[in-house]
Amino acid sequence: QKEVEQNSGPLSVPEGAIASLNCTYSDRGSQSFFWYRQYSGKSPELIMSIYSNGDKEDGRFTAQLNKASQYVSLLIRDSQPSDSATYLCAVTSSAGGGADGLTFGKGTHLIIQP
Amino acid sequence: DGGITQSPKYLFRKEGQNVTLSCEQNLNHDAMYWYRQDPGQGLRLIYYSQIVNDFQKGDIAEGYSVSREKKESFPLTVTSAQKNPTAFYLCASSRMQGNTGELFFGEGSRLTVL
Repeated sequence: QKEVEQNSGPLSVPEGAIASLNCTYSDRGSQSFFWYRQYSGKSPELIMSIYSNGDKEDGRFTAQLNKASQYVSLLIRDSQPSDSATYLCAVTSSAGGGADGLTFGKGTHLIIQP
Repeated sequence: DGGITQSPKYLFRKEGQNVTLSCEQNLNHDAMYWYRQDPGQGLRLIYYSQIVNDFQKGDIAEGYSVSREKKESFPLTVTSAQKNPTAFYLCASSRMQGNTGELFFGEGSRLTVL
């Protein structure tokens, strides 16, 4: 059974600080990794994707991947109140390579305190 | 603008009734997916289709049915056999060629059983 684990939170971070979100996955053959942001009552929107070990930066967001440890993280610098949302970690399966959909974690609820 | 359109956004159903949720995309994507989300939970895969006239069961297919008669359309029927149908239903699509696994989501349909 493919599993993606996240701390459900809530994770409370002061405005302007760095928010750090973590995710582990069980399928060692997973190749693609995604972070989606979901506001309450809305659908998920993609904010970061990462495919190789190391860091990938996009604006205030940095995704980190360590395939040996089966660990993915998302850092949000200079956190803003608008970053308050649930962040979903998602991975592809080794069997389907993405064509059979993504496996999602339950999400981490992030609260940015003004 | 290209995107995924789900309808209706909100739907109420009496127990014992079948309901059909619509999903239409104009992204020219080959693959389409249905996910279910319960409060405080991640997304769970119901069905997916990689090509017209073909579809596969996901992790929680019992009580649901789908069809894929056109590339653009992937309707989901929630049957009376589904024991706990109240949930947020999300339709998604992705490319097959050069597929990294990235999913594009519609705005969702919220089904409530009275």
